[in-house]
Amino acid sequence: EAGVTQFPSHSVIEKGQTVTLRCDPISGHDNLYWYRRVMGKEIKFLLHFVKESKQDESGMPNNRFLAERTGGTYSTLKVQPAELEDSGVYFCASSQWTGGYEQYFGPGTRLTVT
Amino acid sequence: SQQGEEDPQALSIQEGENATMNCSYKTSINNLQWYRQNSGRGLVHLILIRSNEREKHSGRLRVTLDTSKKSSSLLITASRAADTASYFCATGTYLNTDKLIFGTGTRLQVFP
Repeated sequence: EAGVTQFPSHSVIEKGQTVTLRCDPISGHDNLYWYRRVMGKEIKFLLHFVKESKQDESGMPNNRFLAERTGGTYSTLKVQPAELEDSGVYFCASSQWTGGYEQYFGPGTRLTVT
Repeated sequence: SQQGEEDPQALSIQEGENATMNCSYKTSINNLQWYRQNSGRGLVHLILIRSNEREKHSGRLRVTLDTSKKSSSLLITASRAADTASYFCATGTYLNTDKLIFGTGTRLQVFP
């Protein structure tokens, strides 16, 4: 069974540009999460999809971030326009059920904004 | 406020020794999950323990949970050089079981 995959593994962009990150969850997992770790701080929750619906987007930092999950399969996270403080590692995770079950993480996308 | 804090921040041991890492949290939890992160790689899920459980095992891993002290420990027995990694605890609260709150992590170095 394939795990959570993320693309790209690394992205370097200039301030003001746009970047789109992609996450493919484990097949059959309705729940998809985005987390990020910036500046060596703790890994922080961004949002949670159940199928194509946003269950919780309380962790999204501002309206420069847009997450979508059309069709309830893969998800994209767009940052537009990117700022220096957006640099960090963006993780995606998926789980089969809601209600406190195992979340399986992808390898992450390292975003560097210069 | 930070939910999870791991202790110690760093730990160095010899192969064959046991490694114990602790995690403390502030608010009541529904579940607590331990993850491993090898340098530059993704998070690998190790164990999930629920608030009504006190101990779980998986291979050389043993996790305990003390809800009265709001703490958990991860014990790795007979450590190997391949166990060298950062270990994180993450909690899901009763208010939001799926919004995991991560601790700062413990960096474990196992010398051959």
